[in-house]
Amino acid sequence: GQQLNQSPQSMFIQEGEDVSMNCTSSSIFNTWLWYKQDPGEGPVLLIALYKAGELTSNGRLTAQFGITRKDSFLNISASIPSDVGIYFCAGPPNTGNQFYFGTGTSLTVIP
Amino acid sequence: DGGITQSPKYLFRKEGQNVTLSCEQNLNHDAMYWYRQDPGQGLRLIYYSQIVNDFQKGDIAEGYSVSREKKESFPLTVTSAQKNPTAFYLCASSMGRARETQYFGPGTRLLVL
Repeated sequence: GQQLNQSPQSMFIQEGEDVSMNCTSSSIFNTWLWYKQDPGEGPVLLIALYKAGELTSNGRLTAQFGITRKDSFLNISASIPSDVGIYFCAGPPNTGNQFYFGTGTSLTVIP
Repeated sequence: DGGITQSPKYLFRKEGQNVTLSCEQNLNHDAMYWYRQDPGQGLRLIYYSQIVNDFQKGDIAEGYSVSREKKESFPLTVTSAQKNPTAFYLCASSMGRARETQYFGPGTRLLVL
């Protein structure tokens, strides 16, 4: 089945540093979504991307829909302790009636 | 406010018991989903339903059962046949087909005593 691979699997960074993570698939995607899951809570939608090359920001977060439509990137600037959590990419491939989640990137911010 | 509610937040089960996790949504979404999440792991699909009175097995349906008698409700029963039920269970919903953006509830943590 479809695999959405996220990299890196985990990150440990100092408060104030910038963060970059990515998500790749073997298929073309029509939509890329990024979710954040706080510890012990359900994932919350952060950003949605709908066309190749699109760059969208939500506060300190910026996400991009890759030109090939097989990848997406999420950047967090000037990280703070509340950025801690697991970040998931997700979306539907170009064909079929499925919705897939990535393997997740766990972020730890050290004060 | 519209959203998805799951109850209880924590649930304890004795071995051999069935337990039912509640999921309710007032978003008027057609589709609902149940996922299981183990520590440090991603989301695994248990069951989903795209319309009332219809549901489909996901990747790990064994030991679980669901019903969809009302549009807003999609309860999950963890049966005694599920040998390793301790996990974090997440309910989600989406407007229509399975391709649509999914929105999640706060989750239920199930612990087996």
